[in-house]
Amino acid sequence: QKEVEQNSGPLSVPEGAIASLNCTYSDRVSQSFFWYRQYSGKSPELIMSIYSNGDKEDGRFTAQLNKASQYVSLLIRDSQPSDSATYLCAVNMALGTGTASKLTFGTGTRLQVTL
Amino acid sequence: SAVISQKPSRDICQRGTSLTIQCQVDSQVTMMFWYRQQPGQSLTLIATANQGSEATYESGFVIDKFPISRPNLTFSTLTVSNMSPEDSSIYLCSGGGRQGNTEAFFGQGTRLTVV
Repeated sequence: QKEVEQNSGPLSVPEGAIASLNCTYSDRVSQSFFWYRQYSGKSPELIMSIYSNGDKEDGRFTAQLNKASQYVSLLIRDSQPSDSATYLCAVNMALGTGTASKLTFGTGTRLQVTL
Repeated sequence: SAVISQKPSRDICQRGTSLTIQCQVDSQVTMMFWYRQQPGQSLTLIATANQGSEATYESGFVIDKFPISRPNLTFSTLTVSNMSPEDSSIYLCSGGGRQGNTEAFFGQGTRLTVV
């Protein structure tokens, strides 16, 4: 069983719609969860981090975490063509103590925002 | 976020040779990591670069093939030794644990082609 699972996509949404990206993880002791955006040929860019159950909003992005279900998601509101990229879910076991532990990445979901 | 500079950005190398990749962070970070991303794949952790001691390697990666140095809290190198075409990949440096949080950021990556 993969440690971090994502649907590879592509996920196609029309411009202006909400894109919903999902991720499940297998290690119950995981404490920190991240979403990275990666454009083709570029390195991953951190867009959201979440540590507690519930929702965290930042602009058009909302991260949702449910530790009981071992599930984390990313919602992108008012999707734009510039949001077209691969979104990587990453998980680690660091507990917000200031020490970034190693990340386990999912395979990524490719998002396509159509005009 | 921390700014991570990585060089070279790309290189084409002959099989049997070695390449050293440098990673410089604009501020001190607790942790530095080296990842590999093969074409169309997600990121795989090679090793954790430990300041002042030997790196910690993940399963499938060994020091003889990927020697790593980390002389201080802002700099690390990864050497890909005795290269073969199978080593063609993107190599990414990551740093984190800055300012008391667990977020990790990436350099721009090194695209390596072995011929």
